[in-house]
Amino acid sequence: QKEVEQDPGPLSVPEGAIVSLNCTYSNSAFQYFMWYRQYSRKGPELLMYTYSSGNKEDGRFTAQVDKSSKYISLFIRDSQPSDSATYLCAMSAEDDKIIFGKGTRLHILP
Amino acid sequence: DTGVSQDPRHKITKRGQNVTFRCDPISEHNRLYWYRQTLGQGPEFLTYFQNEAQLEKSRLLSDRFSAERPKGSFSTLEIQRTEQGDSAMYLCASSLGQVTATFGSGTRLTVV
Repeated sequence: QKEVEQDPGPLSVPEGAIVSLNCTYSNSAFQYFMWYRQYSRKGPELLMYTYSSGNKEDGRFTAQVDKSSKYISLFIRDSQPSDSATYLCAMSAEDDKIIFGKGTRLHILP
Repeated sequence: DTGVSQDPRHKITKRGQNVTFRCDPISEHNRLYWYRQTLGQGPEFLTYFQNEAQLEKSRLLSDRFSAERPKGSFSTLEIQRTEQGDSAMYLCASSLGQVTATFGSGTRLTVV
């Protein structure tokens, strides 16, 4: 079992819809949870991060962490065609390296 | 501050040759990571540094791979005796502390 599992998609949704992206993990030591966005042939860019459990909101993006279920989510409201990209979840234990999921390819259809 | 810089952007090499990539992190960042990414996959951890100390190297990494970060500034990643399976995007990232790593645009390696 990989440490971080993420459905690779692709996920296609119409413009304006709410997008839900998810990851599961196996390492209970993970404390930092991150979401990165990656456009084709570019490096990943950090969207949001949370420490331990709970929710965090930033504009149209909301990140949720449920440590009891080892499950994290990213919600995108009012999705736009410019949101089309690969979304990577990433996690880290205290003072440790960052481990990434495989990424979910998202297509927002105009 | 121009972000994380990687050089070269693209490298084509013949199988069996050695290659070296360079990463210049954001100047005040103390952590530096190297990842490898193939098509349709997420970044795969290779190694990381805290200042000049190499803290961990992936068990999946063969002895043909070596990385250095002299004086805790720029870093180099060398691959000796390249194989076709080494073809990938090599990503460098830096951070101040543990999270919010900033990535470079990567070096795309093609082994022919």
